[in-house]
Amino acid sequence: DTEVTQTPKHLVMGMTNKKSLKCEQHMGHRAMYWYKQKAKKPPELMFVYSYEKLSINESVPSRFSPECPNSSLLNLHLHALQPEDSALYLCASSPRGGIHYGYTFGSGTRLTVV
Amino acid sequence: KQEVTQIPAALSVPEGENLVLNCSFTDSAIYNLQWFRQDPGKGLTSLLLIQSSQREQTSGRLNASLDKSSGRSTLYIAASQPGDSATYLCAVRPAGANNLFFGTGTRLTVIP
Repeated sequence: DTEVTQTPKHLVMGMTNKKSLKCEQHMGHRAMYWYKQKAKKPPELMFVYSYEKLSINESVPSRFSPECPNSSLLNLHLHALQPEDSALYLCASSPRGGIHYGYTFGSGTRLTVV
Repeated sequence: KQEVTQIPAALSVPEGENLVLNCSFTDSAIYNLQWFRQDPGKGLTSLLLIQSSQREQTSGRLNASLDKSSGRSTLYIAASQPGDSATYLCAVRPAGANNLFFGTGTRLTVIP
């Protein structure tokens, strides 16, 4: 399996809702990432998990809460989002410690906040 | 902080043409550089990965080069096809960092 799987593919939520995005990989990668991408812009890093521990938080608002229950799974919990949080959310993974390896991205979750 | 720039922002070519996409970065201390393809509203598909010690990588009709000292990379696409139409992103992994810095992308349209 050489894929990163993200679910759901599309999500519409109200500003008072709580929802979660899910990301899964079975490549044995030990680093996992959340990126946010607005239309016609490059992806921007949100969080990095290394060996199931949060190693980078790019000053992301607390209404975004990441979780890494195990080495294959990464969640992003959403609560009280704003319309400007509407974007494509991308998950990626890479072999931790393998500086010569590239990143593998999922197909993304298109989030719309109404 | 690493800054990555891609030129041109958009490119339109007739089918069959060879083309070059450019990527430049400000800090030459990198582990590697990766080229991605992104179709509208979709995720990123990795095309080529070049290590800092390498000069080029090839995959099918794609060839990527890296000149680390000058902070430049190019993606060469031979015999372009309409299916090549997409946005192409380059990303560098700085030495000592566990993150990618992305360029702004080049939107390619190949006209049948």
